[in-house]
This record gives sequence, structure tokens and C-alpha cells, in this order.
Amino acid sequence: DIQMTQSPPVLSASVGDRVTLSCKASQNINKNLDWYQQKHGEAPKLLIYYTNNLQTGIPSRFSGSGSGTDYTLTISSLQPEDVATYYCYQYNSGWTFGGGTKLELK
Amino acid sequence: EVQLQQSGPEVGRPGSSVKISCKASGYTFTDYVMNWVKQSPGQGLEWIGWIDPEYGSTDYAEKFKKKATLTADTSSNTAYIQLSSLTSEDTATYFCARSTEGIVSSLDYWGQGVMVTVSS
Repeated sequence: DIQMTQSPPVLSASVGDRVTLSCKASQNINKNLDWYQQKHGEAPKLLIYYTNNLQTGIPSRFSGSGSGTDYTLTISSLQPEDVATYYCYQYNSGWTFGGGTKLELK
Repeated sequence: EVQLQQSGPEVGRPGSSVKISCKASGYTFTDYVMNWVKQSPGQGLEWIGWIDPEYGSTDYAEKFKKKATLTADTSSNTAYIQLSSLTSEDTATYFCARSTEGIVSSLDYWGQGVMVTVSS
């Protein structure tokens, strides 16, 4: 099974900061990776699909990149409404979520 | 508008079973695979499995093969997950989520989640 490791587990940042979240796969996942945002008490929401494609309706401050085993979600200018837990998810071989990164305001 | 409406919270006794539903609307139910995801209290997301409503085919994560059973009723556009032999480890919120295209794809629409509590 493919393991997905997200880092850091918790990230504190200020409004306006550029924020980078990481996700590492235990083997090559051929860019078959999404990012989901989950706010407290809500269902997850698809942000980025297939590594770098912005889902409809998602603000352009969110972007994704990566290849092979290493992937990144970037928020170019953090907003208060971005406080949430972010999960990566691979579907290249089986289906696996990462453990999540909790994003907080400093 | 695509919507996935899940049933209400459930309480199950240890050793019993519960069955929760996910009613789809706003799209052709048989055209998209439905996934189920578990979230234990304060924890991350775990993929449970998927069902193709058109053919009834399923696949499960190894740890859920003896725990969960996925079914779908095409006459009512509803997907179901049954959880058997409940233990405290099954206390969690369960989400249904639609795959965008086939089984190797993203999860674009989610239900609101159903809280299952296992308690005697």
C-alpha cells in the first residue's frame, strides 16, 4: 500500500503569508494526487486535482505542484478563511489520504 | 445541482450492525462511482471503498473488507454502507463522496457526513 506523509502536522502563519504544505508518497504516484480542505465540522472540499488543477470556484491563491513522490500545496497570501486542515489524497495505486496539516493563524 | 444527502446520526450497540444511506440528486446516479470515507473523532480521513452503482462492483481498503458492505439502489439513487460487528473503533463520521470520472479520480462532491456512535 502507498503511504502518504504530510508535513508539517501543524502550521501557524499570519494573514498575508505565503504558505507551503508538503505531501510525500512512499512511491511514485504519477501526479495522481489531490488536495482537500476541511474546515471544522464540515465535509472535505476538493481544492486541487491531478497535482496542479484548480477546482472550479476555488480562489487562485491556491496552487499545487509536484511529481514523482513529492507534492506541494501553496497558498500565495493566507486569508483568515483558509484556517482548516488540508489533506492530500492519492489514487494512483489504491486510494490513500495523508494524515493532514492543520493550518492555524498566528 | 449535485447533492449527496446522507441519513441521520446512528447509535449502535457493540456487536450489532448499522446501515447508513447517501441519496444522490442532480446527476445520473449510475454514471459515477461512489466512495465512502471514515473520520474518527479528532483524526484524519480514511478511504473505505467504492461502489459502481451501474454494475454493483465494489472495492475495499484491506482493513474494511470484513467491516463494511457497500450497496446501491438505482431505483432510488441511493448508496448505502453497512457496518457490522460494531466496536468502539467504529465510532466515527462517515462520508459518501462521488468520484469525478471512473474509479481512478478525484472526489468532487461530498455528503455532509453521518456520525455513528457505538455505545452500550
